Amino acid sequence: KAGVTQTPRYLIKTRGQQVTLSCSPISGHRSVSWYQQTPGQGLQFLFEYFSETQRNKGNFPGRFSGRQFSNSRSEMNVSTLELGDSALYLCASRQVLDTGELFFGEGSRLTVL
Amino acid sequence: QQQVKQSPQSLIVQKGGISIINCAYENTAFDYFPWYQQFPGKGPALLIAIRPDVSEKKEGRFTISFNKSAKQFSLHIMDSQPGDSATYFCAASGNAGNMLTFGGGTRLMVKP
Repeated sequence: KAGVTQTPRYLIKTRGQQVTLSCSPISGHRSVSWYQQTPGQGLQFLFEYFSETQRNKGNFPGRFSGRQFSNSRSEMNVSTLELGDSALYLCASRQVLDTGELFFGEGSRLTVL
Repeated sequence: QQQVKQSPQSLIVQKGGISIINCAYENTAFDYFPWYQQFPGKGPALLIAIRPDVSEKKEGRFTISFNKSAKQFSLHIMDSQPGDSATYFCAASGNAGNMLTFGGGTRLMVKP
């Protein structure tokens, strides 16, 4: 069974641009979560989607948004990029809500110049 | 504020020794406490998890000890191996894994 797949793996953007990151969950998993990982702030929850609906949202500005498609694939978007948005963005999936185990992808490393 | 404090930030252990990582939390609504292992260039992977109705859970060389009254939990790695060298994160959440709050991480190095 393929794991969580994230694309692109690496990308470089400049301040003010926007970026879209993609996540394909494990087959059969309907919940997709996004986390931001930085050396300073560690791992922080962004949002979780289930059946195309946002279920939970972390404490991030409105520039961070996401969506989920009917095939459970998810995208997250960051608009008006700032230097501080440089991070590893991790996607995680699980089969249903409230069962605990999250399976993480390898992440998309975003560098903002 | 929902926080999970993890210590130490880094740990060096000799092969065969015991690695111990500690975490403390504040939110008494947390009911799920997982530990994740992360290797460079990889995403975190679930090692072991515990719920507050038990005080200890063991899976192979990995053991979680949980102290509900002190709001603390710890990971013990017995017979530590060089392959265990990685960064370890504790986490906590309410509602069985929704919105995990992570500790700051512990970089473990096991010397051969």
